[in-house]
Amino acid sequence: DGGITQSPKYLFRKEGQNVTLSCEQNLNHDAMYWYRQDPGQGLRLIYYSQIVNDFQKGDIAEGYSVSREKKESFPLTVTSAQKNPTAFYLCASSDTNTDTQYFGPGTRLTVL
Amino acid sequence: EDQVTQSPEALRLQEGESSSLNCSYTVSGLRGLFWYRQDPGKGPEFLFTLYSAGEEKEKERLKATLTKKESFLHITAPKPEDSATYLCAVQGIGANDYKLSFGAGTTVTVRA
Repeated sequence: DGGITQSPKYLFRKEGQNVTLSCEQNLNHDAMYWYRQDPGQGLRLIYYSQIVNDFQKGDIAEGYSVSREKKESFPLTVTSAQKNPTAFYLCASSDTNTDTQYFGPGTRLTVL
Repeated sequence: EDQVTQSPEALRLQEGESSSLNCSYTVSGLRGLFWYRQDPGKGPEFLFTLYSAGEEKEKERLKATLTKKESFLHITAPKPEDSATYLCAVQGIGANDYKLSFGAGTTVTVRA
């Protein structure tokens, strides 16, 4: 089955630790995205990548980092510089022909 | 900056009671308007893309319509399984045409 996988589903982090969230897709999509979702707010774009080895900051990139070494993979690192990291993180990918973004199941990060 | 406002925030319906959700948007030029369904703790599921005013799309009990300033998602004779949060997003034309701007969503609860 084609789709997007994110792991882990739940992640707990102590303050001061960096953590990496995984996102893999087998849809052969060129573009991949990371969003953050907080209660009562719309999804906010953290980073996006339109092609391998290239990525750009979104609206709320501070305290986050990404890499895009393979077309299928777009991991997100939440660093200790992110002041309020507790949130639901969503990865998406899109075909550049249709612009429709398809989402993974999400990772819920909780900082203890 | 693109903006999306969804109303109402929450909607409680009896099974079979039809209703509509509103998505008002401002964008310099519309590339596409997207509707997603999101179940608790899961990633958004793509429903529809609308590209121009007057366009309509249907899927089972859902029908999406588009004008130059807003979109409606009509739910006809809803069933309890239609309970979810419905998200609206717009994609504008221009330098940031990769980006989706999301509304905060409308949470629909359908009671049997």
